[in-house]
Amino acid sequence: EPEVTQTPSHQVTQMGQEVILRCVPISNHLYFYWYRQILGQKVEFLVSFYNNEISEKSEIFDDQFSVERPDGSNFTLKIRSTKLEDSAMYFCASRRLAGRLYEQYFGPGTRLTVT
Amino acid sequence: DAKTTQPPSMDCAEGRAANLPCNHSTISGNEYVYWYRQIHSQGPQYIIHGLKNNETNEMASLIITEDRKSSTLILPHATLRDTAVYYCIVRVATGTASKLTFGTGTRLQVTL
Repeated sequence: EPEVTQTPSHQVTQMGQEVILRCVPISNHLYFYWYRQILGQKVEFLVSFYNNEISEKSEIFDDQFSVERPDGSNFTLKIRSTKLEDSAMYFCASRRLAGRLYEQYFGPGTRLTVT
Repeated sequence: DAKTTQPPSMDCAEGRAANLPCNHSTISGNEYVYWYRQIHSQGPQYIIHGLKNNETNEMASLIITEDRKSSTLILPHATLRDTAVYYCIVRVATGTASKLTFGTGTRLQVTL
């Protein structure tokens, strides 16, 4: 069964550094999402992306964050200057344009640790 | 999207049915009930969804009350691998983005 993949599984970075988290959505999916989950807290929506542009973003997704689909398969989340509070699990998700009423498929996540 | 209320935790013996309740008294007519689960910090996993009729798939059954103000997810024969946090999400299934808004969910512990 096709699945969403994410790399790396764990990223450690120093405060102020740039990080890029990578996702390969399911191949025939057209909507892409990033969520994050701070340890012990809820899963929070960050951004959705469709047709090469952001569809919706949350208050968390400020100017330090950006997303890109650089080619036909990858979907990336960039954090320009990481802060301690960016430490979290970051989940990528994707879904088809139509079908099972917007069911989203999630990847296994990237654990980001900012020191 | 309508707000949901779920018990913070539940226990279930392996092999027994797990019945997870969800209250969504402010649900609108065009909002669906979705269930996802998250096993130990893995990515959330879709389980099932419904509008007003009861639904069943290979993973679970979803029972929605006639007034749609509450629902129950049923795992018919729970196993240890079903130990997870279960999220009930109510939202409109239209629009270009359809983000998921997760609450705190119900932590289901399946025991021997």
